[in-house]
Amino acid sequence: KQEVTQIPAALSVPEGENLVLNCSFTDSAIYNLQWFRQDPGKGLTSLLLIQSSQREQTSGRLNASLDKSSGRSTLYIAASQPGDSATYLCAVIKGGSEKLVFGKGTKLTVNP
Amino acid sequence: DVKVTQSSRYLVKRTGEKVFLECVQDMDHENMFWYRQDPGLGLRLIYFSYDVKMKEKGDIPEGYSVSREKKERFSLILESASTNQTSMYLCASSINRGMNTEAFFGQGTRLTVV
Repeated sequence: KQEVTQIPAALSVPEGENLVLNCSFTDSAIYNLQWFRQDPGKGLTSLLLIQSSQREQTSGRLNASLDKSSGRSTLYIAASQPGDSATYLCAVIKGGSEKLVFGKGTKLTVNP
Repeated sequence: DVKVTQSSRYLVKRTGEKVFLECVQDMDHENMFWYRQDPGLGLRLIYFSYDVKMKEKGDIPEGYSVSREKKERFSLILESASTNQTSMYLCASSINRGMNTEAFFGQGTRLTVV
């Protein structure tokens, strides 16, 4: 059974710092991996999708990488801002299935 | 932009009531999902539909059913609501063609069963 782990569960950084969020998965036979952001009490906002044939994707200050063989993905946030404060979730889609399996998220706080 | 709309942001229902949660997407997506999110447990899949009238059980289907009569609409039904179904419910949709399986979520429905 696919398991997805995100460490740390919470992270607090000063504004302007570059940071890395981690996501690991137990079954490397994934189709795609997707990163989301969730603000308190709200739904999930898609940030980046990395297809299994890709190694990274970039959107603005965000860069996500994927290493299938080691079962890891990272989300790099450059020059963090207080508005980046949210919970970040990663989800994998197993090959042959459209269902997403989620990690429990990393709660990020960026302090002014 | 893809839009997934859930019919209610907040709902309060009584134990034993039949509850309907509605979800509509406007991008002609084949796949639709219902998840629930609880502190410490994360997001868990309740039901999944890959086409009209087609459905698959997820990890926690007990106490729930679903209906998909039209491609754009996916309904979650709590047959007899119980207090342990108090939760945040999230609907999502995704395309079922090619490599781009990006999923999009609605704003969530916070259900309280009293």
